[in-house]
Amino acid sequence: DTGVSQDPRHKITKRGQNVTFRCDPISEHNRLYWYRQTLGQGPEFLTYFQNEAQLEKSRLLSDRFSAERPKGSFSTLEIQRTEQGDSAMYLCASSPIGEGRQPQHFGDGTRLSIL
Amino acid sequence: AQKITQTQPGMFVQEKEAVTLDCTYDTSDPSYGLFWYKQPSSGEMIFLIYQGSYDQQNATEGRYSLNFQKARKSANLVISASQLGDSAMYFCAMREGGDSSYKLIFGSGTRLLVRP
Repeated sequence: DTGVSQDPRHKITKRGQNVTFRCDPISEHNRLYWYRQTLGQGPEFLTYFQNEAQLEKSRLLSDRFSAERPKGSFSTLEIQRTEQGDSAMYLCASSPIGEGRQPQHFGDGTRLSIL
Repeated sequence: AQKITQTQPGMFVQEKEAVTLDCTYDTSDPSYGLFWYKQPSSGEMIFLIYQGSYDQQNATEGRYSLNFQKARKSANLVISASQLGDSAMYFCAMREGGDSSYKLIFGSGTRLLVRP
């Protein structure tokens, strides 16, 4: 169990640029989640995949955001035309199906700063 | 309405003493799960303890225990024998529904500082 891996750990970019983050879940986990955490707040749900299917998107995920999980393994989260308000920590988590009592396992996150 | 409420933005505790972090929740779903996570300054979210809505006993995991009062809709985390390494943000979270449910709803967190 190598844990959930996220890349990069930090991203600094200018407003208006596009950014892409990657998440590698725990290998046997079918479910993958993206959350966003702003300073002083708890994580907020963005989207959820079961295998390669994106089953729910939060209304927080504007048209500038897109997430994929093409082969049911790693996932990418892209933000187009970044804005100041996109500055946050982006957390990825994974869990097995029928998790019941099992928790979601989180990666270390990608901290995005928009200049 | 807030689904998860953590009313203590910050808490101090003396090393080796016990501390209780409060969490209240709001749901009409009879099946739900409650989680506590620890987030050190490095950023990773570390799972601590889980309580299911149908569990008859309060959950315990080492120095962590959960004071689950279903009628009051509270799920307070108790940390016994605090250590300096316990200084971190602590988040209470809820997952509504059974095994088909998925997303976690988090509270705003409590920052715990353990004094030597």
